[in-house]
Amino acid sequence: DGGITQSPKYLFRKEGQNVTLSCEQNLNHDAMYWYRQDPGQGLRLIYYSQIVNDFQKGDIAEGYSVSREKKESFPLTVTSAQKNPTAFYLCASSNGLGGYEQYFGPGTRLTVT
Amino acid sequence: SQQGEEDPQALSIQEGENATMNCSYKTSINNLQWYRQNSGRGLVHLILIRSNEREKHSGRLRVTLDTSKKSSSLLITASRAADTTSYFCATEGSTLGRLYFGRGTQLTVWP
Repeated sequence: DGGITQSPKYLFRKEGQNVTLSCEQNLNHDAMYWYRQDPGQGLRLIYYSQIVNDFQKGDIAEGYSVSREKKESFPLTVTSAQKNPTAFYLCASSNGLGGYEQYFGPGTRLTVT
Repeated sequence: SQQGEEDPQALSIQEGENATMNCSYKTSINNLQWYRQNSGRGLVHLILIRSNEREKHSGRLRVTLDTSKKSSSLLITASRAADTTSYFCATEGSTLGRLYFGRGTQLTVWP
């Protein structure tokens, strides 16, 4: 089955710890994205990557980092510098940029206490 | 802000009725897309309408786009209880690949 997987579904961390969220796709898509969703809010773009070894900041990149070493993988690290990290994180991919639909994973709910 | 805004924030209807949601945006766009948030919490793409298109259909879904008013509407005909979820519009502007999502409309369809 083709699709996007995110793991884990729920993640709990103590304040001050870095945490890495996994995102893998087997759709052979070039572009991948990370979004954050807060209650009652739309999705806000954290980072996106058009191609391997390249990525751009989105609207709320501060306190986050990413890597794109393989086409199928786009992990997101939430660092201790992120002031309010508790949120629902969604990963997506698309077949290109410009006029393509995005395919979403099931999300990871991160709780930091 | 390039974010779209959906209206209403919440909509409650009976099964069989039609549901209409609206999306307004502020900047010029290349396309506008509608998504729904499924039970697993990921988003599912519904329809993409390009800036030079005025209307698109997909099954029970009808989307219109009025670029002069910077607005779009999503019509779901003959709603079912399974249509209950949040619906989001997203605009793609001059930066290709970047989607700007609205806050969504929560649709509840009562049996």
